Amino acid sequence: TQLLEQSPQFLSIQEGENLTVYCNSSSVFSSLQWYRQEPGEGPVLLVTVVTGGEVKKLKRLTFQFGDARKDSSLHITAAQPGDTGLYLCAGSNTGNQFYFGTGTSLTVIP
Amino acid sequence: NAGVTQTPKFQVLKTGQSMTLQCAQDMNHEYMSWYRQDPGMGLRLIHYSVGAGITDQGEVPNGYNVSRSTTEDFPLRLLSAAPSQTSVYFCASSIWVNTGELFFGEGSRLTVL
Repeated sequence: TQLLEQSPQFLSIQEGENLTVYCNSSSVFSSLQWYRQEPGEGPVLLVTVVTGGEVKKLKRLTFQFGDARKDSSLHITAAQPGDTGLYLCAGSNTGNQFYFGTGTSLTVIP
Repeated sequence: NAGVTQTPKFQVLKTGQSMTLQCAQDMNHEYMSWYRQDPGMGLRLIHYSVGAGITDQGEVPNGYNVSRSTTEDFPLRLLSAAPSQTSVYFCASSIWVNTGELFFGEGSRLTVL
């Protein structure tokens, strides 16, 4: 059972463009995280959001947690080649499990 | 800083063989977990542990076994390898679950022929 669906699955854009990645679920999560993974490595945490409606900014990356704590979005402004990677959302609840999304593979072309 | 260490990084097995993927962490994390990553499916939880002596099943536990005799180590055993278990396996640990950061190893790529 895939609790978290991400869209789009693949994204290829030119350097300098903006993009948004979505993470949707029918389940409520106590917190939601975004990770970035580069080839041959494990995912690395970018941000954790815990409050419905919460917005966090990390340089050119803006993360939002939905009001109902069922969905989240990641917006990148002026994408750079260094942003290339696989972006994964992950939700956790009181059941001691992290549920990962299907992933969005981003390629930023110089 | 070692963090989470997985071995081996690559392994090729024949159908029916057994093997153990090793995972060790030096951050004194109580929570440890194993995931498999397949194209288009993100990361799927196999087994997890909230402390020494405690393990539980995740989303895809069939064909895998785990134990947690110490806080540091969380090995994953494949009992009788099948081609469907060809995947990249990640071990991850966290200080706690609900808002804790998962620290991942570099992954183990397993091919079952």
